Amino acid sequence: DVKVTQSSRYLVKRTGEKVFLECVQDMDHENMFWYRQDPGLGLRLIYFSYDVKMKEKGDIPEGYSVSREKKERFSLILESASTNQTSMYLCASRLAGAGENNEQFFGPGTRLTVL
Amino acid sequence: AQSVTQLDSQVPVFEEAPVELRCNYSSSVSVYLFWYVQYPNQGLQLLLKYLSGSTLVKGINGFEAEFNKSQTSFHLRKPSVHISDTAEYFCAVSDRGGGADGLTFGKGTHLIIQP
Repeated sequence: DVKVTQSSRYLVKRTGEKVFLECVQDMDHENMFWYRQDPGLGLRLIYFSYDVKMKEKGDIPEGYSVSREKKERFSLILESASTNQTSMYLCASRLAGAGENNEQFFGPGTRLTVL
Repeated sequence: AQSVTQLDSQVPVFEEAPVELRCNYSSSVSVYLFWYVQYPNQGLQLLLKYLSGSTLVKGINGFEAEFNKSQTSFHLRKPSVHISDTAEYFCAVSDRGGGADGLTFGKGTHLIIQP
């Protein structure tokens, strides 16, 4: 089974802190994604990476950056956390290409609270 | 650009009754379609997917969905629900181009099973 793990289930940070959210997958997937989930808004794509050291902005990249130094690890960085970044963050991974490979596998999520 | 509309934010249903969760999408290209389920305090789990072929797709836990191209719909159904089906359900699309773009999600439907 594909396994996507996220470093923390719950995290509390203060405004202005630098925050790192880590995601690791164990199935050698090329593509990795970061979403945030907010009530009434569903999931929105922040950033994605189609391979090591490659990254692309999603729909809501402002206030975030990412790092993909190794294939299995995709980090989301909040350079200076703000209260409007309080949310559930979900990481996902997927094999590259179309067809059957299009399924994304999700981690359990990190619930971040910024005070 | 793609978009997904889940018309109902909440659907209350009595146990053992049938249920239909509605999903409509818009896209200028051919798409793949997915339904994910999120149980309380968990990540997303794939229920079923439509990639090609038969328009009636069967998934896990007794769920099925029908792809209707003319109505651009992908409604989710279950003939008899159980208390354990209480969860948030998300419809999602991705284009068939095989690019690394993330999924576009609807805002979710909270299925509430009443005893």
